Amino acid sequence: DQQVKQNSPSLSVQEGRISILNCDYTNSMFDYFLWYKKYPAEGPTFLISISSIKDKNEDGRFTVFLNKSAKHLSLHIVPSQPGDSAVYFCAARVKTSYDKVIFGPGTSLSVIP
Amino acid sequence: DTGVSQDPRHKITKRGQNVTFRCDPISEHNRLYWYRQTLGQGPEFLTYFQNEAQLEKSRLLSDRFSAERPKGSFSTLEIQRTEQGDSAMYLCASSPGAGEAPNEQYFGPGTRLTVT
Repeated sequence: DQQVKQNSPSLSVQEGRISILNCDYTNSMFDYFLWYKKYPAEGPTFLISISSIKDKNEDGRFTVFLNKSAKHLSLHIVPSQPGDSAVYFCAARVKTSYDKVIFGPGTSLSVIP
Repeated sequence: DTGVSQDPRHKITKRGQNVTFRCDPISEHNRLYWYRQTLGQGPEFLTYFQNEAQLEKSRLLSDRFSAERPKGSFSTLEIQRTEQGDSAMYLCASSPGAGEAPNEQYFGPGTRLTVT
C-alpha cells in the first residue's frame, strides 16, 4: 500500500522556468510533509517541509503548497536552475515518537540549460 | 562535521553468504535510521535506534536481518543467508531528535548490495 505517491517518474523543464513536482497521499495521520533531493551517488538531502496545519511554506526559490482536502502537495521551484536536476522525493511523517517518515517513489527532474 | 558515513559503498556477494554494513552517524545525533531503496522506489524504513535502543522494526526486516548500535554510536546492519531479493541500496540516516517539528534526517551515501 503506497501511502505517498508521485505519479510522474520524470519531468523536464527549461532553465529559468518553473518546475512543479506533485505528490499525493492517502493517510490522514500524517502531520508533516517533507521534500528531499537526491543527486546520483549521494544520499537524499532535506529540502523543505510543511506542517499539515499550513497550506504554504516558502524557502528561497522553493515553495511547497498543501491541499489537505485533496490530499495533495506540490513543490514549486522558481526559477529552475541546471543544478536543480536531481531526484525529488516527497515524504510524510507519521506522528510517532521518532519521526517515522514514509517516502514516495521520487520524480527525476531535468533542468535543461 | 563530516556527515553520515557508510562502509562499504559497494558489496557484491554470492547468494547464501552473510554481509555486514556499518554506519557512522553525525556524532551528536541520538536517532539513527536504516532504510532500503530499490530501483524506482523511495527509501523504505527498516529500523530505528534511539541511542543504543532499537525501538522500531519494519515488517520488511525479516529474521535474516539484524541491526545493532552498541554504545549509541555507530550502527551495523547484518544480513544472513543473503537472497537475490536483498539486492538494494541500504541507507543510513541520523537526526538530533528534539522538538515538535520533524527533525531533518541526514543521510549517508548508502551501501549498494548486489547478490549474485
